[in-house]
Amino acid sequence: EAGVAQSPRYKIIEKRQSVAFWCNPISGHATLYWYQQILGQGPKLLIQFQNNGVVDDSQLPKDRFSAERLKGVDSTLKIQPAKLEDSAVYLCASSLDRVAGGSEQYFGPGTRLTVT
Amino acid sequence: KQEVTQIPAALSVPEGENLVLNCSFTDSAIYNLQWFRQDPGKGLTSLLLIQSSQREQTSGRLNASLDKSSGRSTLYIAASQPGDSATYLCAESDNYGQNFVFGPGTRLSVLP
Repeated sequence: EAGVAQSPRYKIIEKRQSVAFWCNPISGHATLYWYQQILGQGPKLLIQFQNNGVVDDSQLPKDRFSAERLKGVDSTLKIQPAKLEDSAVYLCASSLDRVAGGSEQYFGPGTRLTVT
Repeated sequence: KQEVTQIPAALSVPEGENLVLNCSFTDSAIYNLQWFRQDPGKGLTSLLLIQSSQREQTSGRLNASLDKSSGRSTLYIAASQPGDSATYLCAESDNYGQNFVFGPGTRLSVLP
C-alpha cells in the first residue's frame, strides 16, 4: 500500500513570496490533515478535511494560508505572502474515516520550508 | 483548551534497558491517543493507537497504556536498542475524533 505522498520535499523562498505544497493521501482515506511543525516542537494542526469539506481550520492563519481538497483526494496548501516565521516543516497526514472511528493517522515525509 | 505535555524532554539510556515515556493531557473527554516516532528529517510513524474505551495496546516491544481519569498515557519500551533512538510524540483527539493536539516530544538516545 502506497503511503502519503508530499511534494516538494524542500523549498527555499524569500519573504513575501508565495509557495504551494501538494499532498496525495493513502487511497481510500476520507480524512486529510495539514500540520505545521516548527523545529523542536510537536506538529500543530492547521486544517482538517473530511472528503472535500473542511472540518476544522481554527488554527489556520487565513490572511495568508489557504488550502483546498477539490475532489476529496489530493490537497494543496498555499502560503501567500510568506513570512520568516513560516519557516517550518509542513506535514500532511490522512486517516480512514474519523467519523467511523478510523482516526489512526498516517503521515507523509513533509516539506521543509525555509523563508529568508 | 487541550494541552499535551511530555516528560522528560530528552532521555539517554544504555542499550538493553527498559524505559517509560510519559504523556499528560488536560482533555478528559479524549477520543483516542496515538503514539508516534519521528526520525530526524522525517515524517511521523504511527506506533500505537489507543481508543478511549481501551486501557492499553501492545506491539512487539512496545506497550502503551491510557488512564483517562488521571490524564496520562505511558509508552513502555522493553529491551531498548540503538535503532529505537528517535523523538517520540503523543497526540490526543477530542470526542469527535478531531482537534488533534500533539505533545512536544521526548528525544530518546539509546547508546550501544
